[in-house]
Amino acid sequence: GAVVSQHPSWVICKSGTSVKIECRSLDFQATTMFWYRQFPKQSLMLMATSNEGSKATYEQGVEKDKFLINHASLTLSTLTVTSAHPEDSSFYICSARERFPNEQFFGPGTRLTVL
Amino acid sequence: SQQGEEDPQALSIQEGENATMNCSYKTSINNLQWYRQNSGRGLVHLILIRSNEREKHSGRLRVTLDTSKKSSSLLITASRAADTASYFCATERAGGTSYGKLTFGQGTILTVHP
Repeated sequence: GAVVSQHPSWVICKSGTSVKIECRSLDFQATTMFWYRQFPKQSLMLMATSNEGSKATYEQGVEKDKFLINHASLTLSTLTVTSAHPEDSSFYICSARERFPNEQFFGPGTRLTVL
Repeated sequence: SQQGEEDPQALSIQEGENATMNCSYKTSINNLQWYRQNSGRGLVHLILIRSNEREKHSGRLRVTLDTSKKSSSLLITASRAADTASYFCATERAGGTSYGKLTFGQGTILTVHP
């Protein structure tokens, strides 16, 4: 199956700093990438949808100025958590999708801990 | 809010037994997918069933879909200790603006004892 990578796999940062997470599709072109957040022992919540070359669309309740998403190429999307706070500590997972078929391929996730 | 509801929330069985997990959803869908997640890891895609399909098999997995009841079930036969993980259903809603977006259920934590 197709491979999606995320970098870094984990990051610890101080409150107030910004953190960038990369999501790459390694062997296919992803017309759409999705960013999810997962708190401990909970399910995944969709944060935003990112289409190559256009602005991301955010789900209700997700602050677009805090979670900056850039999808500059068909193989790379980035999520930047700006001015991170402890409540932003979570597991962030991206997925990538070709136009056809419908299957999404998930990255391994990035664990963010804000001190 | 999460569209999918899964039950049971947790399931504990012995190796060799079958495990059945259920998922319900609320809106019309294009497809329903099942994923597996080991603790602290990413998601592994197990199976996708389209809205016009009723049953699908893949190895020891059997998925059913009842669109009239808006529900799906995942059956794992002859379970193994290595099947221990969290299992999530995810629905892709019908409708242009929701294309590709997945809504995840709360998940079932499966523990298979050797």
